[in-house]
Amino acid sequence: EIVLTQSPATLSLSPGERATLSCRASQSVSSYLAWYQQKPGQAPRLLIYDASSRAAGIPARFSGSGSGTDFTLTISNLEPEDFAVYYCQQRSRWPPITFGQGTRLEIK
Amino acid sequence: EVQLLDSGGDLVQPGGSLRLSCAASGFTFSSYAMSWVRQAPGNGLEWVSTLGGSGGSTYYADSVKGRFSISRDISKNTLFLQMDSLRAEDTAVYYCAKGRGANEPFFDSWGQGTLVTVSS
Repeated sequence: EIVLTQSPATLSLSPGERATLSCRASQSVSSYLAWYQQKPGQAPRLLIYDASSRAAGIPARFSGSGSGTDFTLTISNLEPEDFAVYYCQQRSRWPPITFGQGTRLEIK
Repeated sequence: EVQLLDSGGDLVQPGGSLRLSCAASGFTFSSYAMSWVRQAPGNGLEWVSTLGGSGGSTYYADSVKGRFSISRDISKNTLFLQMDSLRAEDTAVYYCAKGRGANEPFFDSWGQGTLVTVSS
């Protein structure tokens, strides 16, 4: 099973700042990695797939990078609605499909 | 517009059974992989099961293998999750999720979730 480790667990920033979230895989997942955003009481929303492709309707301030075992989600110029929990997910060698434990992005 | 409507969650005793449903609309249901993902209270996301777009392939997390069964009714555009021998650790919000392709489990649409509580 591929384990995804996200860091940091919590990130405290202010609106307008840049957020950098990390996801590390226990073995290579090539580019088969996605990022999701989840707000309280809501279902997750797909932001990025295949490591760097933005999903439909996702603002350009969200970008993904990386391949192999190290991935980054960058949110430039944070908006108030961006404060949420973010998860990475791999589909390289499945089953099982695995998620990271999440990074909480909170307002400083 | 893609819509997924989850239902069937309830309070059930340990050892009991439950069947979840997910009514889909806005896309060709038979052409996409469909999955169930759960989230225990205060916890992260856990993949449960996937049904391939062809309908012939099913996949399960080890934690539910042998107890849960995923299926679909194409005529009704509905996905199901039959859950038997339920345990306290199965307590969670269960989401159905649409894959980006027939065998591509990145989830681009989600249901609103349905709560399953296993308790005596």
